[in-house]
Amino acid sequence: ELKVEQNPLFLSMQEGKNYTIYCNYSTTSDRLYWYRQDPGKSLESLFVLLSNGAVKQEGRLMASLDTKARLSTLHITAAVHDLSATYFCAVDRASGTYKYIFGTGTRLKVLA
Amino acid sequence: DGGITQSPKYLFRKEGQNVTLSCEQNLNHDAMYWYRQDPGQGLRLIYYSQIVNDFQKGDIAEGYSVSREKKESFPLTVTSAQKNPTAFYLCASSQWTGANYGYTFGSGTRLTVV
Repeated sequence: ELKVEQNPLFLSMQEGKNYTIYCNYSTTSDRLYWYRQDPGKSLESLFVLLSNGAVKQEGRLMASLDTKARLSTLHITAAVHDLSATYFCAVDRASGTYKYIFGTGTRLKVLA
Repeated sequence: DGGITQSPKYLFRKEGQNVTLSCEQNLNHDAMYWYRQDPGQGLRLIYYSQIVNDFQKGDIAEGYSVSREKKESFPLTVTSAQKNPTAFYLCASSQWTGANYGYTFGSGTRLTVV
């Protein structure tokens, strides 16, 4: 069974702290996507990681991909309240199918 | 501005009733998708279409139907056969070679059975 597992599922952290969200997957895809969802809203694209070793950074968020380990990380640096949201990773079922499997999401709450 | 539009934002369905959710995109994307999201959960694929006049079932297609008569439009009908339709429905689109950009999502339709 194809799986995408995120951990932790819930994360409550203080402003200014660092933390990492992990995304493990079982497909053979070499591409991975990160999305953000605010409560009651749709999904917003954060990062597209297209190859092994890819690293992307935007503000306080940095994502990386290790296709050999089938692992992606989303690192949060010096968290601020505005980062509170649910974060999803997604992968192709197999390379070139463009049918994504989504993780269950990590609900992040940053406390002021 | 290019984008993907879903309507209505909220929809209420009575027992035994069919309802249709609209999804329109002006991004010139080839592929379109319907996902369902239940509270506190990830997204599950209902149907997808990679080309006009062709579509494929996803993981949870039972009780749903779609059509793709135009490149821009991919409506989803929730039929009375879908026993638990209350959920948040998200439409997405991508280029055929969608890997470089991922999906673009619509704003979603929240469906409630009354």
